[in-house]
Amino acid sequence: QKEVEQNSGPLSVPEGAIASLNCTYSDRGSQSFFWYRQYSGKSPELIMSIYSNGDKEDGRFTAQLNKASQYVSLLIRDSQPSDSATYLCAVKWLTGGGNKLTFGTGTQLKVEL
Amino acid sequence: NAGVTQTPKFRILKIGQSMTLQCTQDMNHNYMYWYRQDPGMGLKLIYYSVGAGITDKGEVPNGYNVSRSTTEDFPLRLELAAPSQTSVYFCASKKGPGTGLSLSGNTIYFGEGSWLTVV
Repeated sequence: QKEVEQNSGPLSVPEGAIASLNCTYSDRGSQSFFWYRQYSGKSPELIMSIYSNGDKEDGRFTAQLNKASQYVSLLIRDSQPSDSATYLCAVKWLTGGGNKLTFGTGTQLKVEL
Repeated sequence: NAGVTQTPKFRILKIGQSMTLQCTQDMNHNYMYWYRQDPGMGLKLIYYSVGAGITDKGEVPNGYNVSRSTTEDFPLRLELAAPSQTSVYFCASKKGPGTGLSLSGNTIYFGEGSWLTVV
């Protein structure tokens, strides 16, 4: 069973701080990794993707991947109240058809004023 | 630009009733998916399709059926609704197989969701 695990939270950070969200996955044969943001009552939207070990930065967001340790993380710098949402980690497996993603249960982030 | 459109947005069903959730996309995407999301949980794949006429089961297919007669449409059928099918349903689509590393090839676009309650 291929699994993706996240701490459900809520993770509370003060405005302006760095929020760190973590995700682990079970299959070393994983190909690519995605972070989706989901506001309450809304559909998920893709905010970051990463395929290679190391860091990938996009604005205030940095995705970090460590395939040897099987974890992927998302850092949000200068957190804003508008970042308050649930963040879903998703993994695309190397094997298996249909290019399916397996999603974690999500981490709820609360950015407090 | 419509993207992925789902209907209905909200629906209440009685146990044993049947219904179809409609999904259509106007991006000429080959890959389409149906997910369900229970409260506080991640997304679980119900069925997916890699092109017109081709469908396959995901993680939680029991109690559902799909068809893909056209590239645009991917309806989800619930037969004999049960309380366990109370959930939020998301239809999604993707341009291609995404075997490369391109973001456009790998980005999944979601519809706005359909809230279904079975009582």
